[in-house]
Amino acid sequence: DTAVSQTPKYLVTQMGNDKSIKCEQNLGHDTMYWYKQDSKKFLKIMFSYNNKELIINETVPNRFSPKSPDKAHLNLHINSLELGDSAVYFCASSQDDGRSRETQYFGPGTRLLVL
Amino acid sequence: AQSVTQLGSHVSVSEGALVLLRCNYSSSVPPYLFWYVQYPNQGLQLLLKYTSAATLVKGINGFEAEFKKSETSFHLTKPSAHMSDAAEYFCAVSEGFQKLVFGTGTRLLVSP
Repeated sequence: DTAVSQTPKYLVTQMGNDKSIKCEQNLGHDTMYWYKQDSKKFLKIMFSYNNKELIINETVPNRFSPKSPDKAHLNLHINSLELGDSAVYFCASSQDDGRSRETQYFGPGTRLLVL
Repeated sequence: AQSVTQLGSHVSVSEGALVLLRCNYSSSVPPYLFWYVQYPNQGLQLLLKYTSAATLVKGINGFEAEFKKSETSFHLTKPSAHMSDAAEYFCAVSEGFQKLVFGTGTRLLVSP
């Protein structure tokens, strides 16, 4: 059973397009995250949601809009894609009360290539 | 703000040799520290974590790490490397409120 799943696994698209990445977790966790891993493997948090409420919003362009329809899902929509958006995007989840620091479980990643 | 420094973007060892991956952290509060492993084209998997209990933490696949407050370090070790250990290893510190700050990663290469 996959704990944290993401779709699609690969995404190749043209500059200026709009695309979405979906994430689902079946662990019953309250908190979900989006991370971006660049070409040098550096991982940085973008957003986190706790029970569908936005908790962390790093300095990410507003072309990126997360949406959490329920606590098991956190989707990422990207408008007007740019070359610099090419990266691997990881979804993660954890069981948190908003203050504790529990283990985060990562999905397999979505490899986005913008041409 | 908390930060993590991983010394050495690449570490090469022979199969059977000791593995030592270095991690130093900066934190204004008692830290929670993590080591994650990433195999090629896969997501991150937790190896072990320190949460202010025992300073020597044992993880999966024979890895362990020791928290040394005086040195602000959390180095990862394994007595004997296997070929299957070849991967990217990330040290991370928790800032609380669910925010993980990652180091830049160390690629472990294992030669026969």
